[in-house]
Amino acid sequence: EPEVTQTPSHQVTQMGQEVILRCVPISNHLYFYWYRQILGQKVEFLVSFYNNEISEKSEIFDDQFSVERPDGSNFTLKIRSTKLEDSAMYFCASREDTSNQPQHFGDGTRLSIL
Amino acid sequence: AQKVTQAQTEISVVEKEDVTLDCVYETRDTTYYLFWYKQPPSGELVFLIRRNSFDEQNEISGRYSWNFQKSTSSFNFTITASQVVDSAVYFCALSEALLYSSASKIIFGSGTRLSIRP
Repeated sequence: EPEVTQTPSHQVTQMGQEVILRCVPISNHLYFYWYRQILGQKVEFLVSFYNNEISEKSEIFDDQFSVERPDGSNFTLKIRSTKLEDSAMYFCASREDTSNQPQHFGDGTRLSIL
Repeated sequence: AQKVTQAQTEISVVEKEDVTLDCVYETRDTTYYLFWYKQPPSGELVFLIRRNSFDEQNEISGRYSWNFQKSTSSFNFTITASQVVDSAVYFCALSEALLYSSASKIIFGSGTRLSIRP
């Protein structure tokens, strides 16, 4: 069964540095999402992306964050000038072109800011 | 606004006991989806079930069953004859189900940590 793939599985970065989290959605999917889960807390929506633009973003998704689909297969989340509180698990998800199809989640990237 | 409440923060039972995880949701949408996900210690989200708001039939899958009651806005999850491998955090979640919505973000509850003791 096709899977959403996220790399790396664990990223360690110094505070203040930029980090890019990478996701390869399922090939025929057209909607893409990023979610965040701070350790011990619930999973929170960050952003949705469709047709090369952001469809919706949460209050968390401020100017520090950006998303991009640089080619036909990757979907990236960039975090500029990372802060300690950015440490979390970041999940990518994708779904097909109709809303009655479920989102498929990747296994997540654990981001640790030192 | 959409909201999912899982009032049980932690539950601990002895193996082979039945356990029910509660979930109450709020939404103004007439059409929506409800979900349950399992998050084992390894951290990934394991999809368990998705239920459309029009389908109030209860569902059983092996030792798992789900009780959807629209009248009380609840979508409870029962594990029968629990096993140690069921130990995990379980999340209830909600999303809108508009036909051509490009968002359909998933709103998660805060999770219930389930520990099954041998």
